[in-house]
Amino acid sequence: AQTVTQSQPEMSVQEAETVTLSCTYDTSESNYYLFWYKQPPSRQMILVIRQEAYKQQNATENRFSVNFQKAAKSFSLKISDSQLGDTAMYFCAFMNPNYGGSQGNLIFGKGTKLSVKP
Amino acid sequence: EAQVTQNPRYLITVTGKKLTVTCSQNMNHEYMSWYRQDPGLGLRQIYYSMNVEVTDKGDVPEGYKVSRKEKRNFPLILESPSPNQTSLYFCASTHYGTQYFGPGTRLTVL
Repeated sequence: AQTVTQSQPEMSVQEAETVTLSCTYDTSESNYYLFWYKQPPSRQMILVIRQEAYKQQNATENRFSVNFQKAAKSFSLKISDSQLGDTAMYFCAFMNPNYGGSQGNLIFGKGTKLSVKP
Repeated sequence: EAQVTQNPRYLITVTGKKLTVTCSQNMNHEYMSWYRQDPGLGLRQIYYSMNVEVTDKGDVPEGYKVSRKEKRNFPLILESPSPNQTSLYFCASTHYGTQYFGPGTRLTVL
């Protein structure tokens, strides 16, 4: 069974600085998707970034980028130029798109609570 | 605007009183699912549906039912709610592997 581990329950960063959130996962699959979702105090789940395992290039979305290390099964999120609006819970998630009916099942880590301080 | 909607957003009920949480998406997605979020446990899938009239259990299906009579709607039914079903519930629809979440329903069962 796939598992996702986020080892940092809480982190804080000063506004305008850079922070990296860690995520590791366990799978025997070679084709899968990885995601970072943001959950602000409003509790809405917002997609931050997505990475396909077959792509060697790390995904980037504006100030958000990932460091995807497939052999190490590591998928960290880097937030550059942190803003107060980045304060949220961040979830790492794994999806196996090829496993029958569970193809849409996201396996989530337990989250990292990020606080951006002025 | 492409979106997933859920109703109600907040609900307080009592043990044993049947309730339904509605979910609707306007993106014509085939795959939809329900998750519950509990502190320290993250989100866990309850049920999913690959298309109309095709549903199956996720990781934590006990105490829940679903139906998929139309492509856009995927209601979650609690026939006899219990306090351990107090949680934050999310509906999601999936397109090419990316899940789009509704705003969430905060359910409290007394």
